[in-house]
Amino acid sequence: DAKTTQPTSMDCAEGRAANLPCNHSTISGNEYVYWYRQIHSQGPQYIIHGLKNNETNEMASLIITEDRKSSTLILPHATLRDTAVYYCIVRGRGAQKLVFGQGTRLTINP
Amino acid sequence: DGGITQSPKYLFRKEGQNVTLSCEQNLNHDAMYWYRQDPGQGLRLIYYSQIVNDFQKGDIAEGYSVSREKKESFPLTVTSAQKNPTAFYLCASSPGPNPQYTQYFGPGTRLTVL
Repeated sequence: DAKTTQPTSMDCAEGRAANLPCNHSTISGNEYVYWYRQIHSQGPQYIIHGLKNNETNEMASLIITEDRKSSTLILPHATLRDTAVYYCIVRGRGAQKLVFGQGTRLTINP
Repeated sequence: DGGITQSPKYLFRKEGQNVTLSCEQNLNHDAMYWYRQDPGQGLRLIYYSQIVNDFQKGDIAEGYSVSREKKESFPLTVTSAQKNPTAFYLCASSPGPNPQYTQYFGPGTRLTVL
């Protein structure tokens, strides 16, 4: 699976959009981009995933660049409950496990 | 989460004792997984099962055992052979093993060996 690179930490004001970047420059054509988040002492929560096209659900939007070498997770209206560690994961065919890196620690400030 | 239950939430055991962690899902998922998380680190795969009565070792299976007798249940036993069992254990399930299928996680069990 391709390696991902994320900023260690980010801050965002409550009510604003939080944009979390992820680089995955070695991604191959059949690998999916997944985003999870983990609040302290809880299990990881699935947010969204995509292959090539941009995706949107009730939680967030995922923007994947045309060359697929990077992506951005957008939380449109961040709340204090969105404070968590956010993980960008690339997963390909045959890969049973999810490889969680260090993630981005997002802090939403009032 | 949302159909995956793990019990208990906290578990304390004496060194040398075997302990079994429960994982149940009512999502009708074929695949189930066990991960371990240590403080400040990512998740590591212990065992996974793609279908009932079948399971495979992950990256850190030594000292652990599993069974998959029912589709909805995938218990993990931490044996006395596991050198450092104190950790946060996470169970996940997925409709299938392929990467287009999302893995959903349970709330976790925090095991402390005294």
